[in-house]
Order: sequence, then C-alpha cells, then structure tokens
Amino acid sequence: AQSVTQLDSHVSVSEGTPVLLRCNYSSSYSPSLFWYVQHPNKGLQLLLKYTSAATLVKGINGFEAEFKKSETSFHLTKPSAHMSDAAEYFCVVSALNAGNMLTFGGGTRLMVKP
Amino acid sequence: EAGVTQFPSHSVIEKGQTVTLRCDPISGHDNLYWYRRVMGKEIKFLLHFVKESKQDESGMPNNRFLAERTGGTYSTLKVQPAELEDSGVYFCASSQVGSPLHFGNGTRLTVT
Repeated sequence: AQSVTQLDSHVSVSEGTPVLLRCNYSSSYSPSLFWYVQHPNKGLQLLLKYTSAATLVKGINGFEAEFKKSETSFHLTKPSAHMSDAAEYFCVVSALNAGNMLTFGGGTRLMVKP
Repeated sequence: EAGVTQFPSHSVIEKGQTVTLRCDPISGHDNLYWYRRVMGKEIKFLLHFVKESKQDESGMPNNRFLAERTGGTYSTLKVQPAELEDSGVYFCASSQVGSPLHFGNGTRLTVT
C-alpha cells in the first residue's frame, strides 16, 4: 500500500520569500515521487519527478525537491516566491507494485502576498 | 502538440440524469487514465486503459460508472444515474509507456 500526506493544506508567503511545501510518503516498494501544480481552471502540470536517480530534483519555474528516504519525505522548495506561483500543489507517489497507479496527497494551496 | 482535452469543462445535471464525459488523449499515448476529486477529498484513481483494454478499474466506485475507449483513441465516462455524491472534478490523463502523466483541465460535474 502507498500513501501521501501533505502536512499543510494552506501556506501563505510574501513575494520574494522562500517557499516550503511539505510532503511525507509511505510505500512498500521503491517509489517514484512527483509534484504537480494546478492553477485555477487549469489542468495538473508536472513540476518535477524523482525516479531513483539524484535525490535533489530540479523542476520547472525554479522549484526543487529533495528525496530523503530516512525521513520518507519529499518536500518542495523555491528560494523566492513569485505572485504567479499561487496555485494548489500536489505531492504524488507511484510504485511498480501498485501498477504505477498515482496516489495523490490532499493538496497544499499556496498563497503569495505582494 | 495538443494536450489532453476534456469536454465539457462544466456540467450541471439533476440527480437521476445521465452524463457522459469525454477525454481526447495526446495522440500516440496508449495509456489513458481517469481520476476524480470529490469536494474536500484527495484526487482518486478511477481506471486505466491501455489502448482499448481496461488495465485496471479498481477505482470505479460502483456500476453506475461506465468507461469506454473504443478504438483506443478517445474515452468516455458515463454516469447513469447520477447521484449527489458524484459531484466533483473528473480528470483525464494520458501517457506513453514509462513517461509521466499529462492531465487535462478536468470536467467539473455538479449534481443537484
């Protein structure tokens, strides 16, 4: 079985300050991990993915995430928030023993204040 | 390259009526998935097609939901009869083998 917990349902930051969105996962097999973003009235867009290569993964729009197996975490960070980053972010896990089915976290809504 | 297209973007129907959602995947993508987000809950897997065959339909909630992918191109998801708890956003995604999923914008279904 696999599961994902996003520790914060809402995060608010000021423009230009760092962003941290937290994610913990559970998987009985070597997982693949993803972050997706959904802007209002848009589809889910892939930000980045981890598939057992480098533990620090760089994505689009300046985001990156670090896979920490000992902590079963995959937190998403960005050094400096931009107004356009305001959206909902989903941490996602999949594993071979689950047929590569994606299991989503509950989502974190990021608000960016001017 | 055109992305995954879903139609309609919004649908409002009464309890007991029938609704059909359509998904056009990216051309050449054999894998097609349906996911759903019910209000306040996580996005949940419904089913997975490989070409025209159902690979996994373990997430389908009950027999009021019927998914088809005739010819291995576009897919439809029919809800008949619709119930209030079916309200939510239905996402379709497609992928090539071993590649991440590309999602559509979703269909927001409201059952009144």
